[in-house]
Amino acid sequence: EIVLTQSPGTLSLSPGEGATLSCRASQSVSGSYLAWYQQKPGQPPRLLIYGASSRATGIPDRFSGSGSGTDFTLTISRLEPEDFVVYYCQQYGGSPWTFGQGTKVVIK
Amino acid sequence: QVQLQESGPGLVKPSETLSLTCTVSGGSISSYYWNWIRQPPGKGLEWIGYIFYSGSTNYNPSLKSRVTISLDTSKNQFSLKLSSVTAADTAVYYCARGRGPQGYWGQGTLVTVSS
Repeated sequence: EIVLTQSPGTLSLSPGEGATLSCRASQSVSGSYLAWYQQKPGQPPRLLIYGASSRATGIPDRFSGSGSGTDFTLTISRLEPEDFVVYYCQQYGGSPWTFGQGTKVVIK
Repeated sequence: QVQLQESGPGLVKPSETLSLTCTVSGGSISSYYWNWIRQPPGKGLEWIGYIFYSGSTNYNPSLKSRVTISLDTSKNQFSLKLSSVTAADTAVYYCARGRGPQGYWGQGTLVTVSS
């Protein structure tokens, strides 16, 4: 099983600042099959990025993904008030599909 | 627009079987991969398993001995059964569509395991 470790656990930033979220895998993720999700309280996760760097339909271009192998990054270029929520990475290159433990972005 | 909706009992007794159904609207279930994913209160996400429209399944090894996912194409539904539940199975259960990245999710249903 591929274990995903997200860092930091909590990120404290101000609106308008940029955010960099990390996801590190315990072994190489086949085909860069890495996704990022955003989850607001009381809602299901929303797919942001798939294939490490492709934005899902309707996702603003301030969200971008990068990385390969074992190291992946989600970048939010300018934080909007609605971006202060929890983000999860997921690998689907090997079964079982696994999620990171999440990064919470909070207002500083 | 595809929509998914979970349904089933919100309370299950320990040692019994949890049963949930996901109804798909706005599209046919006779395509794609259909998943169950759960999230214990205040915690992260755990993929339970999927069923392909052909009927083939893939389960998380951590739950495999207790899980069955099935498909009813006539009703455009798929279902989850999780046997011998304990308090550790208390979670919000989501159904979702997609092989790997899940682009469509239900709103989730909280299932509590308690006597």
